[in-house]
Amino acid sequence: AQSVTQLDSQVPVFEEAPVELRCNYSSSVSVYLFWYVQYPNQGLQLLLKYLSGSTLVKGINGFEAEFNKSQTSFHLRKPSVHISDTAEYFCAVTFSGGYQKVTFGTGTKLQVIP
Amino acid sequence: NAGVTQTPKFQVLKTGQSMTLQCAQDMNHEYMSWYRQDPGMGLRLIHYSVGAGITDQGEVPNGYNVSRSTTEDFPLRLLSAAPSQTSVYFCASSYGQGSGYTFGSGTRLTVV
Repeated sequence: AQSVTQLDSQVPVFEEAPVELRCNYSSSVSVYLFWYVQYPNQGLQLLLKYLSGSTLVKGINGFEAEFNKSQTSFHLRKPSVHISDTAEYFCAVTFSGGYQKVTFGTGTKLQVIP
Repeated sequence: NAGVTQTPKFQVLKTGQSMTLQCAQDMNHEYMSWYRQDPGMGLRLIHYSVGAGITDQGEVPNGYNVSRSTTEDFPLRLLSAAPSQTSVYFCASSYGQGSGYTFGSGTRLTVV
């Protein structure tokens, strides 16, 4: 079965500093990987996804993530964060091929400090 | 506006009561799912559907029922509410395995 581990429950970072949110997954087969963002009292929004091809994936709001098969990781990065990036971020994984259940990590709260 | 609509947004139930959380999408998505979100536990899958008439269990299905009579609607029924079902419930839909989910805005349920 697939699983997702988000290593940090909270990440404080100063405004305009870079940030990396870590995500590791476990699966023995090909996977699709996603990052979602949740602003307070809202549903989740898709930030970016990796299906195949280039391992560097660019998403909305200046975020990007790199798929590393050997490390089974899919870390999310942004070179310069803004106050508006304060939110909770979720990594998710599913098997490729046919419909499979999507498994979410426990989330990382990003707190941007002015 | 296209999207996933959940009703109600807030609900308080007494232990033992039943209720239905409504979910509707107007994007003609085949795949729909219900998740519950609890602090520190991320999102856990309750039930999902791959098309009208087809549903299956997720990782925490006990105490919940679903049905999918149309492509648009995927209601979640709580049979006999318990305090452990206090949570935020999200409905989500997608048109394909790699497309990612569109989420509703959630239902905050409190069982007393």
